[in-house]
Amino acid sequence: EPEVTQTPSHQVTQMGQEVILRCVPISNHLYFYWYRQILGQKVEFLVSFYNNEISEKSEIFDDQFSVERPDGSNFTLKIRSTKLEDSAMYFCASSVFGPGQGNQPQHFGDGTRLSIL
Amino acid sequence: QQQVKQSPQSLIVQKGGIPIINCAYENTAFDYFPWYQQFPGKGPALLIAIRPDVSEKKEGRFTISFNKSAKQFSLHIMDSQPGDSATYFCAASGGGGNNRKLIWGLGTSLAVNP
Repeated sequence: EPEVTQTPSHQVTQMGQEVILRCVPISNHLYFYWYRQILGQKVEFLVSFYNNEISEKSEIFDDQFSVERPDGSNFTLKIRSTKLEDSAMYFCASSVFGPGQGNQPQHFGDGTRLSIL
Repeated sequence: QQQVKQSPQSLIVQKGGIPIINCAYENTAFDYFPWYQQFPGKGPALLIAIRPDVSEKKEGRFTISFNKSAKQFSLHIMDSQPGDSATYFCAASGGGGNNRKLIWGLGTSLAVNP
């Protein structure tokens, strides 16, 4: 069964450093997402991406965050200058999307645990 | 308005029991309600989802009950097994346009004792 893959599984970074989290969505999916889950808290939406542009973003997704689809398979989340409070599990998800098809199941990767020191 | 409230926070049942997890929402624009199962060290895995035009959906041992007027939905796990021990999340999305983001409940930690 096709799956979403995320690398690395664990990233440790010094505060203030840039970090890039990588995701390979399911190959025929068109809609991509990043979510995060701070330990013990709920999963929070960060951003959705469709047709090579941001479709929606949350208030968490400020100027320090960016997303990119640099080629036909990867989808990345960059945090420019990390803060202690960015420590969390970051999940990538993808879904099929088409006009008029409404919500489609979102399939998640196993996440990247980001630890900011 | 954007919240999804989930209860209980944790649940312990004996093997064969029927754990029930409840969720409530406020935003009447929500039109998609999935349940996810998460094991330690893994990402959330979609279990079952429902849209508000039906009141119940079954897939294997998992059933969603949906009450549109009460703005509530629940997950029932029939004949629960120790392998069902995991964290379960309800979520909701909708609102038209390109709004596909999932709004999540806080999660329920389920333990099924052998």
